[in-house]
Amino acid sequence: NAGVMQNPRHLVRRRGQEARLRCSPMKGHSHVYWYRQLPEEGLKFMVYLQKENIIDESGMPKERFSAEFPKEGPSILRIQQVVRGDSAAYFCASSPKGTSGRNEQFFGPGTRLTVL
Amino acid sequence: GIQVEQSPPDLILQEGANSTLRCNFSDSVNNLQWFHQNPWGQLINLFYIPSGTKQNGRLSATTVATERYSLLYISSSQTTDSGVYFCAVRGSGGSNYKLTFGKGTLLTVNP
Repeated sequence: NAGVMQNPRHLVRRRGQEARLRCSPMKGHSHVYWYRQLPEEGLKFMVYLQKENIIDESGMPKERFSAEFPKEGPSILRIQQVVRGDSAAYFCASSPKGTSGRNEQFFGPGTRLTVL
Repeated sequence: GIQVEQSPPDLILQEGANSTLRCNFSDSVNNLQWFHQNPWGQLINLFYIPSGTKQNGRLSATTVATERYSLLYISSSQTTDSGVYFCAVRGSGGSNYKLTFGKGTLLTVNP
């Protein structure tokens, strides 16, 4: 059973470009979460999605960041007009349930974004 | 929001030693997970343990939910145990989907 897949594993962008990060959840999981790990900081929640719905985006910066989880295909985290402060590791997690029952979250290997 | 504190922040061991890592949290939780972030940056699930005790090989964990803490025990440590250990919790109140992470314990196991 394949785990959570993320690509690319490493992404280099120049300031002002767009970054697009992809996440495929574990088979059978319909709940996706994105977290960000900034240097010298812990992991911070960004957004929680189910298929075609954003459930909680309270951790997302108000501008330049967006996320989607379409009916078909992977979840996408998009960062427009990247700045150096966006350099971080971005992790995707998935779970079989949202809030009820056993909702253990499993993490992908992360995408390391470097903004030059 | 819920606060998560881990101790110690850093720990250096000789191979073969035992250790205990602690996680305190400020409110009741529905979910508590321990992770190991290896030197390559990958987050490995160790335990899903909102309450009780579990064991997996040389690792075991105990969560006392009523007293709002969890402990991770590592016995007979190996160099491959090096990395950062994170505790993460999901609060029990309202529509709280996110995991809140502690700052982690950086473990170094020397040969």
